[in-house]
Amino acid sequence: ETGVTQTPRHLVMGMTNKKSLKCEQHLGHNAMYWYKQSAKKPLELMFVYSLEERVENNSVPSRFSPECPNSSHLFLHLHTLQPEDSALYLCASSQGGGVDTQYFGPGTRLTVL
Amino acid sequence: RKEVEQDPGPFNVPEGATVAFNCTYSNSASQSFFWYRQDCRKEPKLLMSVYSSGNEDGRFTAQLNRASQYISLLIRDSKLSDSATYLCVVNYFGNEKLTFGTGTRLTIIP
Repeated sequence: ETGVTQTPRHLVMGMTNKKSLKCEQHLGHNAMYWYKQSAKKPLELMFVYSLEERVENNSVPSRFSPECPNSSHLFLHLHTLQPEDSALYLCASSQGGGVDTQYFGPGTRLTVL
Repeated sequence: RKEVEQDPGPFNVPEGATVAFNCTYSNSASQSFFWYRQDCRKEPKLLMSVYSSGNEDGRFTAQLNRASQYISLLIRDSKLSDSATYLCVVNYFGNEKLTFGTGTRLTIIP
């Protein structure tokens, strides 16, 4: 088991709903990430936080809003999503930056109706 | 051209056989290389880093060819538990970002 947990594990929401995904890491790491994994596509990096500061945002639509209140917690706030946003959302953490091993959470399987 | 390109497979290989995957990357400034493994409906996990001189971890051997911009993974004496998707991952120097390939799906057949 990794030291990264995610809740909920599954989420079904309508396009007008607002929901949040939560990630928590128990590894004492300084960097946290949100990824999107869709079928037959590579993992897409959405956001990177290092020491609670956002360092990268890969041009993600504003309907996805991240929040990193401290180095152990990361949220992804969702509002007015589209059906094409249905995917597996993975959180990861690493000790430092990109060359460090990233440890992934189990993911949240999101379905947008 | 994709930044990181892999043959998606599937590779169906009998137990005990040797199997090899290649992965090509487009950016010559790529600095660090990894193989991650992702089991069905699970999260990716680091399998091994790939070093310039090549490295081995038990039945797994990783090689890097900077001139041709590809990395490889060799699995010897394959086990049923090796069935998974293998993700090729590249990092560029000074960049927080890991770039993932789509993965190569491997199934070991009894």
